[in-house]
Amino acid sequence: DTGVSQNPRHKITKRGQNVTFRCDPISEHNRLYWYRQTLGQGPEFLTYFQNEAQLEKSRLLSDRFSAERPKGSFSTLEIQRTEQGDSAMYLCASSSDITVNQPQHFGDGTRLSIL
Amino acid sequence: RKEVEQDPGPFNVPEGATVAFNCTYSNSASQSFFWYRQDCRKEPKLLMSVYSSGNEDGRFTAQLNRASQYISLLIRDSKLSDSATYLCVVNGAGGFKTIFGAGTRLFVKA
Repeated sequence: DTGVSQNPRHKITKRGQNVTFRCDPISEHNRLYWYRQTLGQGPEFLTYFQNEAQLEKSRLLSDRFSAERPKGSFSTLEIQRTEQGDSAMYLCASSSDITVNQPQHFGDGTRLSIL
Repeated sequence: RKEVEQDPGPFNVPEGATVAFNCTYSNSASQSFFWYRQDCRKEPKLLMSVYSSGNEDGRFTAQLNRASQYISLLIRDSKLSDSATYLCVVNGAGGFKTIFGAGTRLFVKA
């Protein structure tokens, strides 16, 4: 299957540690998005890539967060010096840019728990 | 005011019922609209796009009212498997500023 793939599925770490998540989009999709979702809320937009260019970054993305998509294929999201409030589901999505109205397809997400 | 607002519910309906959800958005420049469903502890999955003329997919009908800035989802003949959270999604210009509503929870009972 060539759906969006994320790993790890779960990450448990101590406060203050750095974590990195990976997302492999659908192969022909050049748009890639990262979201964060907490219980009872919809996904909150974090950042967006068009190929390797990071074109949009939410104010939610503090200096401790960084995302890359070096070759325009997979992407990584790193959180430095994790805090309890970082506990959430981190979702990656991808879409085509054939037209501006293409829907996004999501991966299974990475659930982060900060102890 | 939130950019995309939904009634959180929950909506509790019997099997076979018809149920409708509304979603309002604040940015009149929004260009594309979608409904996603999300099961508990799963990722959102596309249910349907919402077109200006309205569109139907089996038991599901979506409508857009640009003048009043809302979209709606109608589910006919509800099934137990329709129990989920329904997320309203609005894209801005260029398609990359994506705002999700907080979702509406639906429980369909036997």
